Amino acid sequence: DVKVTQSSRYLVKRTGEKVFLECVQDMDHENMFWYRQDPGLGLRLIYFSYDVKMKEKGDIPEGYSVSREKKERFSLILESASTNQTSMYLCASRAGTTFQETQYFGPGTRLLVL
Amino acid sequence: GEDVEQSLFLSVREGDSSVINCTYTDSSSTYLYWYKQEPGAGLQLLTYIFSNMDMKQDQRLTVLLNKKDKHLSLRIADTQTGDSAIYFCAEINNAGNMLTFGGGTRLMVKP
Repeated sequence: DVKVTQSSRYLVKRTGEKVFLECVQDMDHENMFWYRQDPGLGLRLIYFSYDVKMKEKGDIPEGYSVSREKKERFSLILESASTNQTSMYLCASRAGTTFQETQYFGPGTRLLVL
Repeated sequence: GEDVEQSLFLSVREGDSSVINCTYTDSSSTYLYWYKQEPGAGLQLLTYIFSNMDMKQDQRLTVLLNKKDKHLSLRIADTQTGDSAIYFCAEINNAGNMLTFGGGTRLMVKP
């Protein structure tokens, strides 16, 4: 079974703090993704990575950066957290580039920025 | 850009059929997906349909695709309380590397 784990289930931070969200997958997948999930808006893609040290902007990259130093780990960084970044953050990974390949999701990190 | 829309909420009685609807705008989408999110969990792929198909059936799940109207639906037969969850439809871009999700439909199943 593919396993995607996220470092925290719940996180509370203050405005202006630097926040790291970590994601690890154990299936040697090339592709990894970070989404945020907000009620009524579904999932919106922040960044994705198709290889180590490679990254691509998604639909809403502003205020975020990412790091992929190792294949199994994809980190989302909020350089200076703001209250509008309070959200549920979901990480996903996918093996290849064929359309049938599904994305496997982690359980999510619920971030509250005060 | 791509836009995927769903109604926010659906309530059914146990044993009835549920139909969750989705509209999308990218006519070049090759695959369309249905994901399920149970409380406190990530998303789990339920099923997908290739754009040259009209229908796909998988046990209690039936996916209907009307490509002309860009309308996708998920029918769950004999809905159970364990089907209560948020259901997301999603389309994939031409490069096959980005999914666009709808806002999710919360299905509530009453006993």
